[in-house]
Amino acid sequence: GQQLNQSPQSMFIQEGEDVSMNCTSSSIFNTWLWYKQDPGEGPVLLIALYKAGELTSNGRLTAQFGITRKDSFLNISASIPSDVGIYFCAGQDYNQGGKLIFGQGTELSVKP
Amino acid sequence: ETGVTQSPTHLIKTRGQQVTLRCSSQSGHNTVSWYQQALGQGPQFIFQYYREEENGRGNFPPRFSGLQFPNYSSELNVNALELDDSALYLCASSAPGQGSNTEAFFGQGTRLTVV
Repeated sequence: GQQLNQSPQSMFIQEGEDVSMNCTSSSIFNTWLWYKQDPGEGPVLLIALYKAGELTSNGRLTAQFGITRKDSFLNISASIPSDVGIYFCAGQDYNQGGKLIFGQGTELSVKP
Repeated sequence: ETGVTQSPTHLIKTRGQQVTLRCSSQSGHNTVSWYQQALGQGPQFIFQYYREEENGRGNFPPRFSGLQFPNYSSELNVNALELDDSALYLCASSAPGQGSNTEAFFGQGTRLTVV
């Protein structure tokens, strides 16, 4: 079945530093989504990508849909304490309807 | 515009019991998906409902079942609860457009503990 490998599993950074995380897939996706989840809460959508090669920004966040359609990355610039949380990538294959396949998550810790 | 809401937020059940979790979809969304998230893992797709019909199912046994109502709200039912069913259950709603492009928005989840 489809699998997503998300890395790194965790990151400990200093406030103000930039962050990069990525996901790779064993198969092609039509859509890539990036979510952030705080403890005890549901995932919150950050960025959605619909085209191979697409580069999209949302404030300090930038994400790209890989050309091969098998990977995506998320960058966070100038991190702040409220960026702390778990970031998930998710891929969607139109042939499987609305089903999202999630990565294992990247836990981000930001030291003030 | 109201977001996705789930109830209850927390629940403790005994092994072998049955449980019903509820979800109200975001205004204008006609599709609801349910996910199970074990501690330290990403969400796993259980199934999806579109226009009151099951429209895709993940690798979960038949004791996981669901319903969608005419107002697009949904229920997840789990029979014969097992200890491994302890998890955060997430509901996501979406409004599929052309080519199944869709952005799924999640509720806050129901934390189920089976003892």
